[in-house]
Amino acid sequence: SQQGEEDPQALSIQEGENATMNCSYKTSINNLQWYRQNSGRGLVHLILIRSNEREKHSGRLRVTLDTSKKSSSLLITASRAADTASYFCATDPSGGGSEKLVFGKGTKLTVNP
Amino acid sequence: DTEVTQTPKHLVMGMTNKKSLKCEQHMGHRAMYWYKQKAKKPPELMFVYSYEKLSINESVPSRFSPECPNSSLLNLHLHALQPEDSALYLCASSQFRPGGTYNEQFFGPGTRLTVL
Repeated sequence: SQQGEEDPQALSIQEGENATMNCSYKTSINNLQWYRQNSGRGLVHLILIRSNEREKHSGRLRVTLDTSKKSSSLLITASRAADTASYFCATDPSGGGSEKLVFGKGTKLTVNP
Repeated sequence: DTEVTQTPKHLVMGMTNKKSLKCEQHMGHRAMYWYKQKAKKPPELMFVYSYEKLSINESVPSRFSPECPNSSLLNLHLHALQPEDSALYLCASSQFRPGGTYNEQFFGPGTRLTVL
């Protein structure tokens, strides 16, 4: 069963603007990960945030995690046309063997030049 | 080598055919995964191999048969598929870390399968 739910389902912005995507989940987690997928291609891991972390940065990416609200957000700053892709959050549920990730439905981001 | 490779890139098969999808990684990862992804949907987990043993089977129909010949290779054997099995099939791998956890998954580019 899918646990993560991304919001919005689709987002269209202009180059240079910031893009914010949200993810909500239902059960306790060990960590939450964000992945990017260009059309028809494999997924690329972007960032992992552990359940005891609240914020993490990687280049133009900023991820926050609020375990009390069971939610996370991904912020892409100064977006570029190359950021156009689908973005998925994936949770590693607590209590499992950590072999299994549960993917959300994804946000399709379009960055217009 | 930080790549997961998959062959073939595209596959068209009839419902009576038998074919195989192949996946390879040389990162020393001990967990390997098969996912199925339909258009505009997230990946759906099919199988997980951990240390070359099948550890998770997400109630996948028997017309899909996974095989892990060694720690670097993962196959998915296909037989008597249905048109609704047409999808992008993704392979992934991840590293087993001290403390008993796996972390980020590395994905291959996928095989686009069409069943006629």
